[in-house]
Formats: sequence, structure tokens, C-alpha cells
Amino acid sequence: AQKVTQAQTEISVVEKEDVTLDCVYETRDTTYYLFWYKQPPSGELVFLIRRNSFDEQNEISGRYSWNFQKSTSSFNFTITASQVVDSAVYFCALSEAVQGAQKLVFGQGTRLTINP
Amino acid sequence: KAGVTQTPRYLIKTRGQQVTLSCSPISGHRSVSWYQQTPGQGLQFLFEYFSETQRNKGNFPGRFSGRQFSNSRSEMNVSTLELGDSALYLCASAGGPPGLAVNEQFFGPGTRLTVL
Repeated sequence: AQKVTQAQTEISVVEKEDVTLDCVYETRDTTYYLFWYKQPPSGELVFLIRRNSFDEQNEISGRYSWNFQKSTSSFNFTITASQVVDSAVYFCALSEAVQGAQKLVFGQGTRLTINP
Repeated sequence: KAGVTQTPRYLIKTRGQQVTLSCSPISGHRSVSWYQQTPGQGLQFLFEYFSETQRNKGNFPGRFSGRQFSNSRSEMNVSTLELGDSALYLCASAGGPPGLAVNEQFFGPGTRLTVL
């Protein structure tokens, strides 16, 4: 069975600090996909990134970066120079790579609060 | 492109009633998935439809059902409502060719259902 663990339930930092959100996953599949979503107070999940299991390159997008390590089954997300607008709940998710499978297994989420 | 739309946004029902939620995917997207979000269980996959066929199903009782129309719009129905069905119901659509790749899902704002 697939499982995603986000051990950090809540994180609170002061604006401009760097913050890393941890994500550890479990799967027996050799091919799979990992995702990060952001859920602001409005409730709508916003897609941030998709990564397949064959691509272990780290990715940077502006102040966001992701570190994927298959050896430790982790897909961590770092926000550099955090801003108040980054305050949200962040979800890590896993999907098997079966044809047509559009079924996400989510972690419990990390509530990130950026204080001015 | 317009995003995923869900109607209604808020709904209040009483135990034993049934409810139908509607989702219109992003134009051109043929996959529509439904998720339930509660404080206790987090985000859980309900089912996914592709070209009017249910392609994936989560672990929910038969009271939860859905369908998809030829224009890709989808409806979700919950019969004999229970207090525990109170939740945010999120719909997501995905595009791309139906191959091995698992495409990113784009979520709607959700329907908040309260069962009294």
C-alpha cells in the first residue's frame, strides 16, 4: 500500500526565513509520481510540482526548491526567503504510475504560518 | 482557460437525505477525480472518471457514487447522508493523453457539505 507521511503538522517562522517541509513516502512500485500542492485559506488546492521516480534531479522555481532522494524515500520542499503569502497548508502526494491512474494518496499536510 | 468549477459551493443537509454535487473540468480535460477532505481523515480519494467510465475507486461505501457526462462534466451523489459525511468535497481534472504518465490534477474550490 502507498503511504505519505508529513511529520511536521505545523511550522511557524518569521518572514524571510528559509523553511523546509518534509515528505516521506512508502510504495512498492518502482515507477511512481510525487506531487506537492498548496492549499491557501480559500480551500482550493494549487498544483506546485510533479516529479516522476526516474527523475531525481532537484528542481528550483523561484523561491521554491524540491529535493528528491529515492534512497531515503523523501521529497522535501524548501521555501527560501519566505513571505507572508506563503502561509498555507502544503500537501505532498503520491501516485502509482499505472496507465490511467489518476489517484493521489496525500499526506496529512503541513500548516505553514509566515509571521511578518 | 477557465479553471475547474464546482457547484454549489456550500450545502447544508440533514441526516438521511441525499445530495448531488457538480463539477465542470477544465476545457479539454477528460479525467475528473473526486476527493473528500475532513479534519480527521485528511484528503481521501473517492473515484475517478475518464470518458464517462469509472476508472479508479477509493475505499468508500456504496452510498457514494458518481458519473461523468459526454462533455466531461461530472456529478457526485451521496445517498442516506450521515453526520460523518460533512466535509469539503474537491473535484480535480487532468488532461494529457491517456498513457503511462500521470498528469497533474487541477482542483476546483470545493463544495463544503454540512450534514445536520
